[in-house]
Amino acid sequence: EDKVVQSPLSLVVHEGDTVTLNCSYEVTNFRSLLWYKQEKKAPTFLFMLTSSGIEKKSGRLSSILDKKELFSILNITATQTGDSAIYLCAYTSGGYQKVTFGIGTKLQVIP
Amino acid sequence: DAGITQSPRHKVTETGTPVTLRCHQTENHRYMYWYRQDPGHGLRLIHYSYGVKDTDKGEVSDGYSVSRSKTEDFLLTLESATSSQTSVYFCAISDRFRWGASYNSPLHFGNGTRLTVT
Repeated sequence: EDKVVQSPLSLVVHEGDTVTLNCSYEVTNFRSLLWYKQEKKAPTFLFMLTSSGIEKKSGRLSSILDKKELFSILNITATQTGDSAIYLCAYTSGGYQKVTFGIGTKLQVIP
Repeated sequence: DAGITQSPRHKVTETGTPVTLRCHQTENHRYMYWYRQDPGHGLRLIHYSYGVKDTDKGEVSDGYSVSRSKTEDFLLTLESATSSQTSVYFCAISDRFRWGASYNSPLHFGNGTRLTVT
């Protein structure tokens, strides 16, 4: 059975810290891995990863996929209180773009 | 928000009553999804659709049915609502993924429907 596991489930850091969020997966017919950020409402897109070893960056956020070891990490450097959110990892599989999410990591950044 | 409207935004209903949630899109996207979100469980896929009249189950489909009779509408029905179906329901849409392309977002989410079953 396909699955995705995120760790840690929750994390509290101080402003300025660097955090690494983990997403490991076991998926038949894997196509891509997605990262989303969710604050109060609907999730907002961060990254889509399809190729191993290619880092994607957006400001202080970056992510990379390892298709051999079946995991992805999301890094946030110089954290700010506005980074406080739930970070969701998702995978797509098969030919019909079924998108399945993990439980998420709740990040709290304190001043 | 990417031309997705969920209705109603809030609903309170009693156990045993039928409930239908509607997702309407103006983007002409092929794929549509229904998720529920609960504390400690993240976003869980209920059903999704890959075309008109083409649907498939997600991981928590028991107690739910869906219909998609036209591209723009995807309906989620709880035939007989139970308290365990109290949740926030999100609809999402997607066009065909262009693998390796850059995206604003592969999935566009609606604003959610908060359903309470008493």
